[in-house]
Amino acid sequence: GAGVSQTPSNKVTEKGKYVELRCDPISGHTALYWYRQSLGQGPEFLIYFQGTGAADDSGLPNDRFFAVRPEGSVSTLKIQRTERGDSAVYLCASSFRQGDGYTFGSGTRLTVV
Amino acid sequence: DAKTTQPPSMDCAEGRAANLPCNHSTISGNEYVYWYRQIHSQGPQYIIHGLKNNETNEMASLIITEDRKSSTLILPHATLRDTAVYYCIVRGSSNFGNEKLTFGTGTRLTIIP
Repeated sequence: GAGVSQTPSNKVTEKGKYVELRCDPISGHTALYWYRQSLGQGPEFLIYFQGTGAADDSGLPNDRFFAVRPEGSVSTLKIQRTERGDSAVYLCASSFRQGDGYTFGSGTRLTVV
Repeated sequence: DAKTTQPPSMDCAEGRAANLPCNHSTISGNEYVYWYRQIHSQGPQYIIHGLKNNETNEMASLIITEDRKSSTLILPHATLRDTAVYYCIVRGSSNFGNEKLTFGTGTRLTIIP
């Protein structure tokens, strides 16, 4: 597709459940990023992939959060034992080369009830 | 990454030039200035970036002072669709492997009809 696609656009889950959020980057973009954004705040970095490998996962808040990109294109952000504080918009972005501007998706709004 | 300081909000009349300032007094020689904007309920959108020279593209112009401690994003003829939160970000050179963007809270720009 022409842009970064994120699915689902909205997800409501119960506290303690497991969720997966999917990101389809722009075809050919080797760099992929995950951010999350709470209401009234700027996006907060979670993890960065270059190809299949996580080059920087320093933003993942704890070990309940994990992300994969097994074939160097689609990525999945996985959250175990969700907590109400995980509620946020999760944004994915991709870029063709290191240093290029990112293209962001529209995000997945996660609500943990 | 160097910290940036932006005014929390600004207004601009439709059709006028919108000038958004950003201070980055601790910027180092290999750090670029990036600008993104975020329209309500969408992911951030890349606008422009620069190192030391002024830059212009179809969206905006970026003016960086000679000492590089501040910059101004200029939207030459603001329209109502330019109402958004604008983020100024300082980012290390990709050669140093510092890929992540650190967003602050940005400037909420409102274009007045």
